[in-house]
Amino acid sequence: GQQVMQIPQYQHVQEGEDFTTYCNSSTTLSNIQWYKQRPGGHPVFLIQLVKSGEVKKQKRLTFQFGEAKKNSSLHITATQTTDVGTYFCAGPPQSNYQLIWGAGTKLIIKP
Amino acid sequence: DAGVTQSPTHLIKTRGQQVTLRCSPKSGHDTVSWYQQALGQGPQFIFQYYEEEERQRGNFPDRFSGHQFPNYSSELNVNALLLGDSALYLCASSLDLASTGELFFGEGSRLTVL
Repeated sequence: GQQVMQIPQYQHVQEGEDFTTYCNSSTTLSNIQWYKQRPGGHPVFLIQLVKSGEVKKQKRLTFQFGEAKKNSSLHITATQTTDVGTYFCAGPPQSNYQLIWGAGTKLIIKP
Repeated sequence: DAGVTQSPTHLIKTRGQQVTLRCSPKSGHDTVSWYQQALGQGPQFIFQYYEEEERQRGNFPDRFSGHQFPNYSSELNVNALLLGDSALYLCASSLDLASTGELFFGEGSRLTVL
């Protein structure tokens, strides 16, 4: 079936280090969305990318959508404690209403 | 402007029982989707409702059913509960015009099946 693989499952970083998570879909997506879920919370929308090869930035966060619209990445520069949480990618296969979600990458700041 | 509200926030049931979860979408939204999120996993799509009809369904058995009311609010019903149904159930609302766009999630209903 259709699936979205997301790696790594966890990433431990020192505060100030960078963080990257990658998503790869088994099928072409209409768009890719990124959500953040804090511990004990619910997913909160970060951004949507629609165009092939699109790159968007939000302050320290950079999002990319692959040329084939099957992969994506999120890069955080100089992580802060407020970045802690699990980052999910999700996308609808073309001609489909449902979002297929990755399993998430948990960002952990080392004490 | 109220966001997505869900009730109850927590509930405990035993195997074989039935449960109903409720969701009120964000003001102005007409589309409601339900997701199941097991611990440590990404949300899994259950179904989406639009114009009081189930528009699309994920890979869930018929024990999972839903309803959307004229005011766009929605219910998720699960019959014959199994231990494996223990999860966080998330309701998400959106605008049909952006039916594959941004989802607004509620806080979720955490179901424990004993």
